[in-house]
Amino acid sequence: AQTVTQSQPEMSVQEAETVTLSCTYDTSESDYYLFWYKQPPSRQMILVIRQEAYKQQNATENRFSVNFQKAAKSFSLKISDSQLGDAAMYFCAYKAAQGGSEKLVFGKGTKLTVNP
Amino acid sequence: DTGVSQNPRHKITKRGQNVTFRCDPISEHNRLYWYRQTLGQGPEFLTYFQNEAQLEKSRLLSDRFSAERPKGSFSTLEIQRTEQGDSAMYLCASSLGLTYNEQFFGPGTRLTVL
Repeated sequence: AQTVTQSQPEMSVQEAETVTLSCTYDTSESDYYLFWYKQPPSRQMILVIRQEAYKQQNATENRFSVNFQKAAKSFSLKISDSQLGDAAMYFCAYKAAQGGSEKLVFGKGTKLTVNP
Repeated sequence: DTGVSQNPRHKITKRGQNVTFRCDPISEHNRLYWYRQTLGQGPEFLTYFQNEAQLEKSRLLSDRFSAERPKGSFSTLEIQRTEQGDSAMYLCASSLGLTYNEQFFGPGTRLTVL
């Protein structure tokens, strides 16, 4: 079974600085998708960024970028120029690309605090 | 369309009672998912529908849990004979069924079983 591990329960960053959240996963599949979701306090989860495993190029969305290391099964999220609105729980998630399963497998999350 | 909606947002019930939650997906989305999230954990998959067909169920979905999507639009999740261990946030998500299949989440229903 696939598993996703986020080893940092909590992280903090100063406003305008850069922070990196870690994620590792375990799978025997060669094709899959990886996601970072953001869950602000008392608000719904939203997708931050996604990565297709067959793409070598790391995904980027404005201030958010990933470092995808397929051989190491590592998928970290870098947030540049951190803003107060970035404070939230961040979840790393995995989805198989084939085999019929549509479920997302989530890590336990990292709580990010942004200090003014 | 303002996104995935869930009702009620909060439910407090006594152990042994039945509860039902509703999810309204984004209107053009043909896939609908249910997840459960307990405190300090990430969401755990429960089940998934494509249109009205329930195509995948987790082992977490015990016999006390049942989900329906009768006309391929809204969905209901019922828990019978609730237990204290059922206390959690129940999240619904929907997607268009595209290749990368981004799932859009609702705000959740927080269940407290006393």
